Amino acid sequence: AQTVTQSQPEMSVQEAETVTLSCTYDTSESDYYLFWYKQPPSRQMILVIRQEAYKQQNATENRFSVNFQKAAKSFSLKISDSQLGDAAMYFCAYYGGSQGNLIFGKGTKLSVKP
Amino acid sequence: GAVVSQHPSWVICKSGTSVKIECRSLDFQATTMFWYRQFPKQSLMLMATSNEGSKATYEQGVEKDKFLINHASLTLSTLTVTSAHPEDSSFYICSASTRGHQSLGSPLHFGNGTRLTVT
Repeated sequence: AQTVTQSQPEMSVQEAETVTLSCTYDTSESDYYLFWYKQPPSRQMILVIRQEAYKQQNATENRFSVNFQKAAKSFSLKISDSQLGDAAMYFCAYYGGSQGNLIFGKGTKLSVKP
Repeated sequence: GAVVSQHPSWVICKSGTSVKIECRSLDFQATTMFWYRQFPKQSLMLMATSNEGSKATYEQGVEKDKFLINHASLTLSTLTVTSAHPEDSSFYICSASTRGHQSLGSPLHFGNGTRLTVT
């Protein structure tokens, strides 16, 4: 079975600084997708960034980028120029196989200090 | 972009009553919908997967008679919490897929969630 592990329950970053959130996963599949979701206090799930496993190039979305290491099964999220609005829970998620549902990590609570 | 509407966003009910939560895809056909439950400060736990026109598939440990899921059309799935008890109080979130559940990479769109409080 696939698993997703986020080893950092909480992280803190100074405004305008850079922070990296860690995520590792376990799977025997070769074709899958990885996601980072943001959940602010409103609890709306917001897709931050998505990575296809077959792509070697790391995905980038404005201030958000990932470091995807397929062999190591690692998928970290880097947030550059952190803003107060980035404060939220961040969930790493795996999507693949015949079930088609997302498997979430336990989340990392990010705080941004002004 | 694709929008999923979930209603109600917040509901309080008395113990023993039933509550229905709706999940609608507004501008696409959702062949598959997923229902998640989220306890405070915890991750999302998949409860069940529903495909339009067929019975829902429940995850291990989820009581199918307590959490009734109906996916009667390509735009609507409902979750009914029957005979609710205080321990059912939680945050419930639905998500919808634009393709068949066996397609990888199908984007998943989330509703805004429903906060259920059972008194």
